[in-house]
Amino acid sequence: GQQLNQSPQSMFIQEGEDVSMNCTSSSIFNTWLWYKQDPGEGPVLLIALYKAGELTSNGRLTAQFGITRKDSFLNISASIPSDVGIYFCAGPLKSWLGSQGNLIFGKGTKLSVKP
Amino acid sequence: EAQVTQNPRYLITVTGKKLTVTCSQNMNHEYMSWYRQDPGLGLRQIYYSMNVEVTDKGDVPEGYKVSRKEKRNFPLILESPSPNQTSLYFCASSTDRGGQPQHFGDGTRLSIL
Repeated sequence: GQQLNQSPQSMFIQEGEDVSMNCTSSSIFNTWLWYKQDPGEGPVLLIALYKAGELTSNGRLTAQFGITRKDSFLNISASIPSDVGIYFCAGPLKSWLGSQGNLIFGKGTKLSVKP
Repeated sequence: EAQVTQNPRYLITVTGKKLTVTCSQNMNHEYMSWYRQDPGLGLRQIYYSMNVEVTDKGDVPEGYKVSRKEKRNFPLILESPSPNQTSLYFCASSTDRGGQPQHFGDGTRLSIL
């Protein structure tokens, strides 16, 4: 089946450093979503991207919808300890019926921040 | 408070004993979905529903059933659970029929012995 390839798988950084992660696919997506999951909780939507080339920020987080529509990037500036968690990219697949309800996720980037 | 509520949160059971995990949302969302999360595999969609009485398979539907008789509820049914269904399960809902779950439940950890 179709996959979202997310990298890196894990990152261990010093507080204050900037973080970059990305997500790629062999298929075109019309929407890119970025989620964060804290331990023991469900994922929480961080940023949604709807247009190729779009750059959207949410506080210290910035995400971009790649112009090829096959990739997306998430950057975190000046990381802090509460940024620890697993970050997932996701996107809806368009079936032959036109439905976009089938959502697929990347395998996640686990971020650890050292104070 | 906007919520997606799953029950139970934890369950240990045995192979073959039918079980149901309930999911309820209080946001009048049309779209609801079930995922399982396994180490190294991320979140994989099991089933989704774009409205009452409308359900469709996700990526890993085998061994699961769902129903959507009313808007707020979307139960996940394991008719004959097997050990490979041991996992962490999440229900999610969204206003957007395009499948952008913005509200996830807190998860149900199932162990099938």
